[in-house]
Amino acid sequence: EAGVTQFPSHSVIEKGQTVTLRCDPISGHDNLYWYRRVMGKEIKFLLHFVKESKQDESGMPNNRFLAERTGGTYSTLKVQPAELEDSGVYFCASSLRGFGMAGELFFGEGSRLTVL
Amino acid sequence: QKEVEQDPGPLSVPEGAIVSLNCTYSNSAFQYFMWYRQYSRKGPELLMYTYSSGNKEDGRFTAQVDKSSKYISLFIRDSQPSDSATYLCAISSAKAAGNKLTFGGGTRVLVKP
Repeated sequence: EAGVTQFPSHSVIEKGQTVTLRCDPISGHDNLYWYRRVMGKEIKFLLHFVKESKQDESGMPNNRFLAERTGGTYSTLKVQPAELEDSGVYFCASSLRGFGMAGELFFGEGSRLTVL
Repeated sequence: QKEVEQDPGPLSVPEGAIVSLNCTYSNSAFQYFMWYRQYSRKGPELLMYTYSSGNKEDGRFTAQVDKSSKYISLFIRDSQPSDSATYLCAISSAKAAGNKLTFGGGTRVLVKP
């Protein structure tokens, strides 16, 4: 069974440009999460989808970040315009349930974003 | 103050030694405790999950939770070079929607052959 896949694995862009990160969750997982780790900091929650609905987007840093999950399958995270402080690793995770042991998160390998 | 504190290490031990890792947390609402292992350039993978005070064993791994002290630990017995990785504690609240995790910063562990 395929795990959580993320694309691209690494993106280098200039400040002010736009980047779109994609996440394909494990098939059948209704719950999809975005987390990120910026340099020197801990991994932090960004948002949580249940199917195509945003369940919790309390971790989104500002309105330059837009997450979508059309049709409840894959998800995209767009950063527009990118700033230097957006550099870091963006992780996507999915789970079968939203809570408890059945809510184990399976993480992708991350998309590394470098903003110059 | 961070919600979850974790010593960044690195922690270097000889093969076969016991690795001892720990985290402290500040919010008593946290009810679910996890340890993740992350290899370089990979995503975190779940090692241990517990929701009660006490010990939980799984092979060479033992997770320990002390809710009264807000302190969690992970012990790795008979450590192997393949255990070299970053270990992250993660905690969630019973009231959190879904599995919204609060992570510690991670401890880098190096097991030398």
